[in-house]
Amino acid sequence: GAVVSQHPSWVICKSGTSVKIECRSLDFQATTMFWYRQFPKQSLMLMATSNEGSKATYEQGVEKDKFLINHASLTLSTLTVTSAHPEDSSFYICSASLPGETQYFGPGTRLLVL
Amino acid sequence: KQEVTQIPAALSVPEGENLVLNCSFTDSAIYNLQWFRQDPGKGLTSLLLIQSSQREQTSGRLNASLDKSSGRSTLYIAASQPGDSATYLCAVSSGNTGKLIFGQGTTLQVKP
Repeated sequence: GAVVSQHPSWVICKSGTSVKIECRSLDFQATTMFWYRQFPKQSLMLMATSNEGSKATYEQGVEKDKFLINHASLTLSTLTVTSAHPEDSSFYICSASLPGETQYFGPGTRLLVL
Repeated sequence: KQEVTQIPAALSVPEGENLVLNCSFTDSAIYNLQWFRQDPGKGLTSLLLIQSSQREQTSGRLNASLDKSSGRSTLYIAASQPGDSATYLCAVSSGNTGKLIFGQGTTLQVKP
């Protein structure tokens, strides 16, 4: 199957700093990438849908100015958590797909904000 | 608003047992339904994808069924093995946008 990578796999940062997470589709060109957040023992919650070359579509309740998403190419999307706070600590997972096809998920990035 | 529920939340079985995981959704107008596996601290692995026009899909010891009218899907695991221990997530897509709505998952433990 297709491979999606995320970098970094884990990050620890101080409160108030910004953190960038990369999501790459390694062997296919993804027109759409999705960003999810997963709190401990909870399911995945969709944060935003990212389409190459256009602005991301955010789900209700997700602050677009706090979670900046850039999808500059068909193989790369980035999520920047700006001015991170401890409540932003979570497991962030991206996925990539072609239209109407299954999504391939990255291995996730664990963020801990101190 | 689509809601996805999985029952049970956790399940522990001895090795070799056949088992069924349940998933229900409130809006039957779905595009497809997927079952995923998630190991602790890891991403998701797609197990089975059922299109809205299909009734079931099979892959090895796994069989997933879909009943749109009743808003239900089941994942059947035959002859369970300790390596099947993981969290199983059900997700539905309501359009070809690809947006997935996930259930809470069922955490399965298969004891040797």
